[in-house]
Amino acid sequence: AQSVAQPEDQVNVAEGNPLTVKCTYSVSGNPYLFWYVQYPNRGLQFLLKYITGDNLVKGSYGFEAEFNKSQTSFHLKKPSALVSDSALYFCAVRDLYSGAGSYQLTFGKGTKLSVIP
Amino acid sequence: DTGVSQNPRHKITKRGQNVTFRCDPISEHNRLYWYRQTLGQGPEFLTYFQNEAQLEKSRLLSDRFSAERPKGSFSTLEIQRTEQGDSAMYLCASSLADNTGELFFGEGSRLTVL
Repeated sequence: AQSVAQPEDQVNVAEGNPLTVKCTYSVSGNPYLFWYVQYPNRGLQFLLKYITGDNLVKGSYGFEAEFNKSQTSFHLKKPSALVSDSALYFCAVRDLYSGAGSYQLTFGKGTKLSVIP
Repeated sequence: DTGVSQNPRHKITKRGQNVTFRCDPISEHNRLYWYRQTLGQGPEFLTYFQNEAQLEKSRLLSDRFSAERPKGSFSTLEIQRTEQGDSAMYLCASSLADNTGELFFGEGSRLTVL
């Protein structure tokens, strides 16, 4: 079974400072990993994904994430936070070992990011 | 707007009533997914269609839940004999027929069961 843990319910960071939102995962095989963002009264929006290749992936709005296989982590980062980055962030995983027929994503509980002006 | 559209956005019903939600995916997407999200939790997978075929169903999808996608375009999710525990946000997403899992979500349909 696949699972995702986001250990922090909330992360507060000052505008202009770097931010990190943590995610660890558990899968039987090789993972596909994703970050989604949810703004108030808006649908979930895709930010970035790791499929294979370079461990550092870049996504929308200046976000990036680093895949670390040994630590089974996929932390979301941004060098300089903006107030507009304040939102709910979800990490998700798909386990390729589940077979070609399984397309379900397993999401973490989410981390609320607050960027303080 | 060419995004994923869900209706109604909010439904309040009494326990025991039936409710139906509709999802219109992005037109060129042949994969469609239903997820459920409760307060403080991430989305939980319910079911998945490729064209009109329902290929995966979660164990969360009890026999009171049924989903259809009759012509491979829009989809409906029906909940029969609603219970208070069914209160949640029901999310629809669609994707292209590739293997990378990038989903495009609608804004959701919020169900409140009194």
